[in-house]
Amino acid sequence: KAGVTQTPRYLIKTRGQQVTLSCSPISGHRSVSWYQQTPGQGLQFLFEYFSETQRNKGNFPGRFSGRQFSNSRSEMNVSTLELGDSALYLCASSWGGATRQYFGPGTRLTVT
Amino acid sequence: QQQVKQSPQSLIVQKGGISIINCAYENTAFDYFPWYQQFPGKGPALLIAIRPDVSEKKEGRFTISFNKSAKQFSLHIMDSQPGDSATYFCAASRETSGSRLTFGEGTQLTVNP
Repeated sequence: KAGVTQTPRYLIKTRGQQVTLSCSPISGHRSVSWYQQTPGQGLQFLFEYFSETQRNKGNFPGRFSGRQFSNSRSEMNVSTLELGDSALYLCASSWGGATRQYFGPGTRLTVT
Repeated sequence: QQQVKQSPQSLIVQKGGISIINCAYENTAFDYFPWYQQFPGKGPALLIAIRPDVSEKKEGRFTISFNKSAKQFSLHIMDSQPGDSATYFCAASRETSGSRLTFGEGTQLTVNP
């Protein structure tokens, strides 16, 4: 069974631009969660989508948004990029809860 | 507010030794406590997990010890190997929060040959 895939793996953007990251969950998984990982803040929960609906949201500004499609694939969007948005963005999928949640390799976003 | 505190921040162990990483949580509603292992350039990988109705769980060389009254849990890696060198994260979640995991700060483990 294929694991969680994320595209692109690396991305360089300029301040003020916007970016869209993609995540394909493990087949059959309906929950996709997004996390931001930085050296200073560690792993921070962004939001979770389940059956195309946002089920949970972390403490991030509205510039961070996401969506989930009917095939469970998910995208997250960051608008008006700031230098502090430079991070590894990870998505994780599961059947529906936190149990047995599997992470993708992440997208490394650098904002210059 | 950091709800899961992890220590130590870094740990150096000799090959064959025991690595011990500790976590403490605040929210008594947490009911699922996984440990993740992360290698450089990779996403975190689920290692082992426990629920609060069990005091200990062992899988191979990895053991979780759980103390509900103290709100603490720990990861023990027996017979540590250089290949275990990675960053370890404890986490916690509660059933009413869906898939949301609250992570500890991480521990960078180095196992010297």
